[in-house]
Amino acid sequence: GEDVEQSLFLSVREGDSSVINCTYTDSSSTYLYWYKQEPGAGLQLLTYIFSNMDMKQDQRLTVLLNKKDKHLSLRIADTQTGDSAIYFCAETHSSASKIIFGSGTRLSIRP
Amino acid sequence: SQTIHQWPATLVQPVGSPLSLECTVEGTSNPNLYWYRQAAGRGLQLLFYSVGIGQISSEVPQNLSASRPQDRQFILSSKKLLLSDSGFYLCAWSTGGVEKLFFGSGTQLSVL
Repeated sequence: GEDVEQSLFLSVREGDSSVINCTYTDSSSTYLYWYKQEPGAGLQLLTYIFSNMDMKQDQRLTVLLNKKDKHLSLRIADTQTGDSAIYFCAETHSSASKIIFGSGTRLSIRP
Repeated sequence: SQTIHQWPATLVQPVGSPLSLECTVEGTSNPNLYWYRQAAGRGLQLLFYSVGIGQISSEVPQNLSASRPQDRQFILSSKKLLLSDSGFYLCAWSTGGVEKLFFGSGTQLSVL
């Protein structure tokens, strides 16, 4: 079956890089996503990557995909207090109409 | 531009009472529609999704049901709420393809 796993918490110092990790089980995954949820709000799509890519960079965000190990990571450079949120990893495949989410990683920033 | 409306924002209901949460999408046609639940301290669980009017797929057997009476309307219901139904309910839509999801602002449901 499909499963997406993430660690629940991550604490980093302001200005450092944050790396949030995710593993998934569905080898037919086609698209992998990172969503951000701020307190009391819905989720917003941060970035996504196709399974035939290894890396995608968008300003402070870098997504790395290791398809062999089914491992996805999100790196946030120069982490700011506004980056405090829950980050969800998610996956789907082209024949599916649903997206499966991980449990979310709560990122907290310390001064 | 497309927008998604979800209401109410917060709801407090007694155990055994019925539930109806509504979600509508504007600015697009034939979207895929989804209901997710986020329980306190837990991740996002897919409850139902719909690829068209009257077509509902249930992911988790439970006390809830969903209906799609119109193309851009998705309703989450229960005849009798349980304490375990408490949580943050999120509606979302996508247009297929890459399946980027766009979420509503959520409904915080407390069953007492």
